[in-house]
Amino acid sequence: DAGVIQSPRHEVTEMGQEVTLRCKPISGHDYLFWYRQTMMRGLELLIYFNNNVPIDDSGMPEDRFSAKMPNASFSTLKIQPSEPRDSAVYFCASSPRGSGMGNEQFFGPGTRLTVL
Amino acid sequence: GQNIDQPTEMTATEGAIVQINCTYQTSGFNGLFWYQQHAGEAPTFLSYNVLDGLEEKGRFSSFLSRSKGYSYLLLKELQMKDSASYLCVDSGGGADGLTFGKGTHLIIQP
Repeated sequence: DAGVIQSPRHEVTEMGQEVTLRCKPISGHDYLFWYRQTMMRGLELLIYFNNNVPIDDSGMPEDRFSAKMPNASFSTLKIQPSEPRDSAVYFCASSPRGSGMGNEQFFGPGTRLTVL
Repeated sequence: GQNIDQPTEMTATEGAIVQINCTYQTSGFNGLFWYQQHAGEAPTFLSYNVLDGLEEKGRFSSFLSRSKGYSYLLLKELQMKDSASYLCVDSGGGADGLTFGKGTHLIIQP
């Protein structure tokens, strides 16, 4: 299995532009998670899906952020408009079942976003 | 609410043993994970504890005390490749998402 795939790996954009991050989870995994990592705040859960349905988006910072999962093999995280404080590494992770039973999450390589 | 405390940085010597402590406070506890993250890479799973006691896996062991809200990760026979951040992770709160601590940056010296 190729593991969790994210694209792009690096993104540099200017303030105000729209940014779309993409994720392909491991086939057969029912859960998909989006995280953001910064030096100041560490790794933060933004939103997660179960069987393509958003379950908890309480970590999404504000209305500029949105996430979709149109099918079991694809998810997007969109920022519109982007701001310099959105600069971070964004990770996508998937797991076969929920974390409540000790199920490991498998992380993608991350997208390093820089907003100038 | 959920709050995780672990040291920011630790230094240890190659071949030695190091213990990384973690305390947590959660309103609904479903177990505690440890993840390892090398610089510039994604986190990877190390261990999971839901019952009190010690879980051993090769050079790494993880301990949990639910009554004390305390866990530690024990690394033996340290190798240079163990230089990484170690994240204490709570899976409580009634959801399937994880709450990550900010991690302990472990530096291994020759």
